[in-house]
Amino acid sequence: NAGVTQTPKFQVLKTGQSMTLQCAQDMNHNSMYWYRQDPGMGLRLIYYSASEGTTDKGEVPNGYNVSRLNKREFSLRLESAAPSQTSVYFCASRGGSIRDSLYSNQPQHFGDGTRLSIL
Amino acid sequence: DAKTTQPNSMESNEEEPVHLPCNHSTISGTDYIHWYRQLPSQGPEYVIHGLTSNVNNRMASLAIAEDRKSSTLILHRATLRDAAVYYCILAGAQKLVFGQGTRLTINP
Repeated sequence: NAGVTQTPKFQVLKTGQSMTLQCAQDMNHNSMYWYRQDPGMGLRLIYYSASEGTTDKGEVPNGYNVSRLNKREFSLRLESAAPSQTSVYFCASRGGSIRDSLYSNQPQHFGDGTRLSIL
Repeated sequence: DAKTTQPNSMESNEEEPVHLPCNHSTISGTDYIHWYRQLPSQGPEYVIHGLTSNVNNRMASLAIAEDRKSSTLILHRATLRDAAVYYCILAGAQKLVFGQGTRLTINP
């Protein structure tokens, strides 16, 4: 039962480097999400994709770009990493039909996270 | 987005029931109440959700106030494995908005 798979699990970058975090889900879910979690804090939404071909900004989108490559995969890119982006990044997916999207009555399934340090 | 208020921390003993409260006075009529928990070094894990009626599943029970302005997550017999941060979230539209949650400590 793979569920939501994130790669890599750990990464150290230098300021200014670029990197793409990968996320794939095998549950045939329409919606996918990227969150970040800073120490001692709850998760904050960066971007989400309600369905294949669509993406929308969340609470903290600055400094990030996303690509919904297909229904399974949703990647997060840091074009020029900054120390403030040091965090744990979680990808999630959610089932239900696209018409259900207005009422979040389906749970989200999370990956195990990518721990990213930017020096 | 509607906000939730939870105690920062709670402590209980193993094999005793635990009641985790959540206030959400600004909830809208279409918001679902979701609970997730996060164990150390893991991603959040779905626990339970509901709209108006109380809900039960194999992990927990969710009691929702009649006016929907508060809810309580009930763990019937806590185990050491239930030690985690518990998040009460109002799910509207596409998004979950996480607060800081309640850190639950279980004493052996």
